[in-house]
Amino acid sequence: QVQLQESGPGLVKPSETLSLTCTVSGASMNSYYWSWLRQPPGKGLELIGYIYYSGSTKYNSSLKSRVTMAVDTSKNQFSLKLSSLTAADTAVYYCVRGGGWRAIDYWGQGTPVTVSS
Amino acid sequence: QTVVTQEPSLTVSPGGTVTLTCASSTGALTTYSYPSWFQQRPGQAPRTLIYSTNNKHSWTPARFSGSLLGGKAALTLSGAQPEDEADYYCLLYYGADQLPVFGGGTKLTVL
Repeated sequence: QVQLQESGPGLVKPSETLSLTCTVSGASMNSYYWSWLRQPPGKGLELIGYIYYSGSTKYNSSLKSRVTMAVDTSKNQFSLKLSSLTAADTAVYYCVRGGGWRAIDYWGQGTPVTVSS
Repeated sequence: QTVVTQEPSLTVSPGGTVTLTCASSTGALTTYSYPSWFQQRPGQAPRTLIYSTNNKHSWTPARFSGSLLGGKAALTLSGAQPEDEADYYCLLYYGADQLPVFGGGTKLTVL
């Protein structure tokens, strides 16, 4: 079955850049959108953005200047970089299959990220 | 800025029926909003229950169904079970120029 697994640091300092990778197993990345979401402690879900397998992207307008996504279909991975971190970026970060009008179906287990010095 | 509104909280009795709704600040929803519904149990990652208004995944319990109701997206739970106590989020699509938007979530209590 399709599985997604996030990886990256659990603790990042303010002003630094967060780098997360999502590894996909059990399915090809071709013909799908792949998204990153986050959930601050005790709050709801926020879509950070998505990337098509071909590399085209769409980002949340409130984060656009700080977000970069990339995809490497040869490794079955896609990634997120979020720069200029503040405490407000503390959240559980999820990678999922789907985005745009294509339904989200499979979710990663999530990786908690804390921004603190 | 587009706002998607859900009931903050609802309570249902075991075995009972409850409907959660999802409304958009832009007006009445259609199937082209491709509404999806997600369940998040305490301490767990979300999982997708319903996509494109009323389509279920293989893992979606039969007691959950999706629809459009009075211009809103709706998730109906018929025969609530204790394990259905969770937060439920909807997600709406607004076209290629904007990211889909999540509702704020509904905390469902089975009591």
